Amino acid sequence: GESVGLHLPTLSVQEGDNSIINCAYSNSASDYFIWYKQESGKGPQFIIDIRSNMDKRQGQRVTVLLNKTVKHLSLQIAATQPGDSAVYFCAENKNSGGSNYKLTFGKGTLLTVNP
Amino acid sequence: NAGVMQNPRHLVRRRGQEARLRCSPMKGHSHVYWYRQLPEEGLKFMVYLQKENIIDESGMPKERFSAEFPKEGPSILRIQQVVRGDSAAYFCASSLEQGEGGYTFGSGTRLTVV
Repeated sequence: GESVGLHLPTLSVQEGDNSIINCAYSNSASDYFIWYKQESGKGPQFIIDIRSNMDKRQGQRVTVLLNKTVKHLSLQIAATQPGDSAVYFCAENKNSGGSNYKLTFGKGTLLTVNP
Repeated sequence: NAGVMQNPRHLVRRRGQEARLRCSPMKGHSHVYWYRQLPEEGLKFMVYLQKENIIDESGMPKERFSAEFPKEGPSILRIQQVVRGDSAAYFCASSLEQGEGGYTFGSGTRLTVV
């Protein structure tokens, strides 16, 4: 029979525009969240993190927003550049208790920046 | 500091052979974590080791997979009698203390079973 492949959510933006990548997490006990960037053939690269006692955190050109009520996380990239093209993953972690080392990753979003 | 080093970068094995993946943590780090990534998926936790101890192997398949982190030398992820379904990218991360969060990952080993 015919098989249906899994496809990453994709986001295509023009160079210079702002990008917003969204992530829904599942564990209401998670209290630490991280965004990673993964370029083709490379390992995940840490971008920014946020703890559950915050709802916003800013880095260089990136902002992470956390909405615990609806278990939603977003990554905003300002003035997106071609070098930002990659797959972006959110990861969650319960930073207290015995398993505070275990990250749970989402499926990822493919960001393509058009020049 | 060279970061987390993994080798080989690419590994091709025939079904039934053994695969040995190596991970050298960042200097001074004694906590190592292995994750597996299937195509178009996020990373999934496999095992957490400290020097000479397996702390949590709850993400490891029950058979054919084993991991070690000896007192001297790199951490090794060993897959015996590989099958096509083992084809994936295997990533290692390390930390100075347990549960530091935003780990630095190595570049991974891409295992292809033919």
